[in-house]
Amino acid sequence: AQKVTQAQTEISVVEKEDVTLDCVYETRDTTYYLFWYKQPPSGELVFLIRRNSFDEQNEISGRYSWNFQKSTSSFNFTITASQVVDSAVYFCALSGGSNYKLTFGKGTLLTVNP
Amino acid sequence: DGGITQSPKYLFRKEGQNVTLSCEQNLNHDAMYWYRQDPGQGLRLIYYSQIVNDFQKGDIAEGYSVSREKKESFPLTVTSAQKNPTAFYLCASSPQGNNQPQHFGDGTRLSIL
Repeated sequence: AQKVTQAQTEISVVEKEDVTLDCVYETRDTTYYLFWYKQPPSGELVFLIRRNSFDEQNEISGRYSWNFQKSTSSFNFTITASQVVDSAVYFCALSGGSNYKLTFGKGTLLTVNP
Repeated sequence: DGGITQSPKYLFRKEGQNVTLSCEQNLNHDAMYWYRQDPGQGLRLIYYSQIVNDFQKGDIAEGYSVSREKKESFPLTVTSAQKNPTAFYLCASSPQGNNQPQHFGDGTRLSIL
């Protein structure tokens, strides 16, 4: 069975602080895919990044960066110099095997205060 | 613009009533999904469909039904058998393949009158 754990339920920071959102996953599949989504107050989920299990390179996109480590089954997300617009719920998700099911973590509510 | 349209945005259900949530996509995606979101629970999969005229139960299918008669449409019916239907419902679609990111609609918030 697949499982995604986001241990941080809520995080509150002040604007311009760096913040890291943790994601730990469990799977028996040798090939799998990890995703991060952002859910702003409006409700829709916005896709941020996908990473496959064979690619452990870190990725940076503007103020966002992701650290994938198979040895610790983690796929952490860092926002550098946070902004108020980053306030949202962030979900980590996992898919693998032969089906299309995405297993979501319970999400981390990030509040960035001015 | 391509995207996923969910309607209505807010829906109220009376006791014993079935209600249907609409989901339409113009992204030409083969796969479509319905999720339920409760506070602090993340997203849980209700049903998914990989192709027209075929669908599978997700983790919490009891009390729900779906149909997939057209590629663009995947309506969800919340039946009277669903005893706790108050939640935020999200529809998503994706191309074939479990490596494909899912694209989400804006959601429907269902409440009990």
